[in-house]
Amino acid sequence: EDKVVQSPLSLVVHEGDTVTLNCSYEVTNFRSLLWYKQEKKAPTFLFMLTSSGIEKKSGRLSSILDKKELFSILNITATQTGDSAVYLCAVDNYGQNFVFGPGTRLSVLP
Amino acid sequence: GAGVSQSPSNKVTEKGKDVELRCDPISGHTALYWYRQSLGQGLEFLIYFQGNSAPDKSGLPSDRFSAERTGGSVSTLTIQRTQQEDSAVYLCASSLARLGGAGELFFGEGSRLTVL
Repeated sequence: EDKVVQSPLSLVVHEGDTVTLNCSYEVTNFRSLLWYKQEKKAPTFLFMLTSSGIEKKSGRLSSILDKKELFSILNITATQTGDSAVYLCAVDNYGQNFVFGPGTRLSVLP
Repeated sequence: GAGVSQSPSNKVTEKGKDVELRCDPISGHTALYWYRQSLGQGLEFLIYFQGNSAPDKSGLPSDRFSAERTGGSVSTLTIQRTQQEDSAVYLCASSLARLGGAGELFFGEGSRLTVL
């Protein structure tokens, strides 16, 4: 059964800290890995990764994929209270649906 | 509309009643997904529609759940004889499925269902 695991499940940091969120996966057929940020209801898209070793960057957020070791990390530098959210990792497995991990709940304290 | 639209945003119902949740995807998006998210949990896949193909219903938790997509656009998720464990946020997403990749999902704001 295809599976996506995220760690940690919960994280509390202070503003200015740097955090690394982890996502590992076991899927039969991998097409891409996606990161989403969910603050209230609707997850919003952050990154889509298809190739190993190529870092995607958007402001203070960056992500990279390792297809050999089957994991991805999402880095957030100089965290702000607005970064507080649940970060979801999902894998497109060619199976017509996306397999989501449980999410990492990040709380950034002022 | 510009984004995925879901209604109602909140629904409170009594155990045993039927409910219908509606999703209007982004215009031109051929793929439509329903997910369920219980409090503090990740997203649980329910059903997937792609164009005129038969839907993938593999995620529906019981035969009380059904969904349809009319005219390749609007979708309705129906839950019959609701149970308290059906309480969750039901998220709809659409994507512009294209050759070489499904692309990212665009989510609606969700419908929060509370079964008393």
